[in-house]
Amino acid sequence: DTAVSQTPKYLVTQMGNDKSIKCEQNLGHDTMYWYKQDSKKFLKIMFSYNNKELIINETVPNRFSPKSPDKAHLNLHINSLELGDSAVYFCASRQGGNTEAFFGQGTRLTVV
Amino acid sequence: RKEVEQDPGPFNVPEGATVAFNCTYSNSASQSFFWYRQDCRKEPKLLMSVYSSGNEDGRFTAQLNRASQYISLLIRDSKLSDSATYLCVVNFVGSQGNLIFGKGTKLSVKP
Repeated sequence: DTAVSQTPKYLVTQMGNDKSIKCEQNLGHDTMYWYKQDSKKFLKIMFSYNNKELIINETVPNRFSPKSPDKAHLNLHINSLELGDSAVYFCASRQGGNTEAFFGQGTRLTVV
Repeated sequence: RKEVEQDPGPFNVPEGATVAFNCTYSNSASQSFFWYRQDCRKEPKLLMSVYSSGNEDGRFTAQLNRASQYISLLIRDSKLSDSATYLCVVNFVGSQGNLIFGKGTKLSVKP
């Protein structure tokens, strides 16, 4: 069983569209994250979320919004996609405290 | 100063070589530290946690110097399969304990 799963794995879409990426974890973790990895391979945190608090990286445009229907899911919605949004998006989860995070396989988003 | 800084690399070494990666972090209140490995077009995976007393896992040794805010990873007897990008990761103090990644150092081990 995959611990952290993301769908879709690949997403190609036109500028201006709205899209969502889904993430599910079956590890029972309290905290989930979204990271963006750009063409320079830098992994940048976008959001962290548990059932009590959402922390947003202030550099993330408000076109990006996380949605969490329950503790095991953290989906990423992106409105009005731009060319610069093209990147690999990784979902991750951890139990909290000082534990390590587990990552999904990533979603390669290409905006054309 | 950037939150987590690493050697830019790339490191190109022959099989059997010993290679060391360095990392510095800016938040002195950081609580936990990790080295992750990322293969091309794959997700990051935990290589090892870094403990204050230093720790070893086979050919890999991690060290932490809190006073200097410095973390290192030593790989002995490099294998071709060690070729990957190595990411220094710091858990910053905060309500979420956010994991902040360095930009990574690419390692290529050649025959």
